[in-house]
Amino acid sequence: GQQVMQIPQYQHVQEGEDFTTYCNSSTTLSNIQWYKQRPGGHPVFLIQLVKSGEVKKQKRLTFQFGEAKKNSSLHITATQTTDVGTYFCAGPGGATNKLIFGTGTLLAVQP
Amino acid sequence: DTAVSQTPKYLVTQMGNDKSIKCEQNLGHDTMYWYKQDSKKFLKIMFSYNNKELIINETVPNRFSPKSPDKAHLNLHINSLELGDSAVYFCASSQDFTGVTGELFFGEGSRLTVL
Repeated sequence: GQQVMQIPQYQHVQEGEDFTTYCNSSTTLSNIQWYKQRPGGHPVFLIQLVKSGEVKKQKRLTFQFGEAKKNSSLHITATQTTDVGTYFCAGPGGATNKLIFGTGTLLAVQP
Repeated sequence: DTAVSQTPKYLVTQMGNDKSIKCEQNLGHDTMYWYKQDSKKFLKIMFSYNNKELIINETVPNRFSPKSPDKAHLNLHINSLELGDSAVYFCASSQDFTGVTGELFFGEGSRLTVL
């Protein structure tokens, strides 16, 4: 079945350093979504990318959808302690286009 | 007002018991979901309902039975609980299931611990 993998599984950075998580799907995606889950919290939608090669920015966060629409990345510039959490990508798959979540990347930020 | 609310937030129970989790959304969405998040944080879809009709039923033991009395509510009943059922169960909703899932709004989760 379709798989959505993310690397790294875990990253520990010093506050102010940059961070990137990569998302790879085994199949082409019509769109990709990104979610953030704070420790003890629930996933919260960040953004959706639809077009091949699309790049979107939200303040210090930059999201990119690959040209082949099989991969995506999230880059955070100058991390802050408020960025702590697990970042998930998610894409539709299967006959019902259900949203399949990636394996997640846990970001820890040391002040 | 909480957009997607689920109760209870915490459930601790013995193996073999039956338990239910309730979910309500006040967003006017057509589609609701149950996701399971295990100890490794993997989020896996279990069920999805569109306007009270079951549209996604993943490979889930038939001890799990969802029910949607109306499009604003989706409940999950679990029979004969097993240790492996321990997880956080998230309810979610989205605007419309027209072949492409839109943004999901998640509830705060129900942490189930089976002893």
